Amino acid sequence: KNEVEQSPQNLTAQEGEFITINCSYSVGISALHWLQQHPGGGIVSLFMLSSGKKKHGRLIATINIQEKHSSLHITASHPRDSAVYICAVYFGNEKLTFGTGTRLTIIP
Amino acid sequence: ETGVTQTPRHLVMGMTNKKSLKCEQHLGHNAMYWYKQSAKKPLELMFVYNFKEQTENNSVPSRFSPECPNSSHLFLHLHTLQPEDSALYLCASSMRPITDTQYFGPGTRLTVL
Repeated sequence: KNEVEQSPQNLTAQEGEFITINCSYSVGISALHWLQQHPGGGIVSLFMLSSGKKKHGRLIATINIQEKHSSLHITASHPRDSAVYICAVYFGNEKLTFGTGTRLTIIP
Repeated sequence: ETGVTQTPRHLVMGMTNKKSLKCEQHLGHNAMYWYKQSAKKPLELMFVYNFKEQTENNSVPSRFSPECPNSSHLFLHLHTLQPEDSALYLCASSMRPITDTQYFGPGTRLTVL
């Protein structure tokens, strides 16, 4: 069964802290997406990964194919980073499966 | 206008009504998607279109009927919906289906009474 699990479900941190959000999946994949959803519903695609590491500004995404695990890191977190972060995995069978999301709150 | 737009942003309908959601993308993409996001549930991919052809239908009830007249426009026709269909409906587009970066519209908040 193609499953995607995210942790933690909720995360509250102080401004400036280093944030890590995790995504694990059950079987081999073709691609993994990290999405950001702000209050009100708008979704922004942050990264698409199939191997290695990608960086954009203060955001870093890594994937370990052997361990079936991906992490999203935020350096020098800011209140505007408060959002739900969603991992979505493409298992190569024309199915895109989504995690339940991690709700991040950054306190000033 | 650029990006992915959706109309209406909010919709309230009765179970016997027929309504349509509209999505338009100005990014030159070839693939378009409909997603459903219910409260406290993960995003669900409903339909995928690539070059106007439907490539995926994730066992969506027939009361949801998609239409893709061209690569820039996508509709979701709704009829005889149930209250449990109340959700945020999101449209997205990408150059190639599934594995490319997707760009999302703001969503339509649907309430079925």
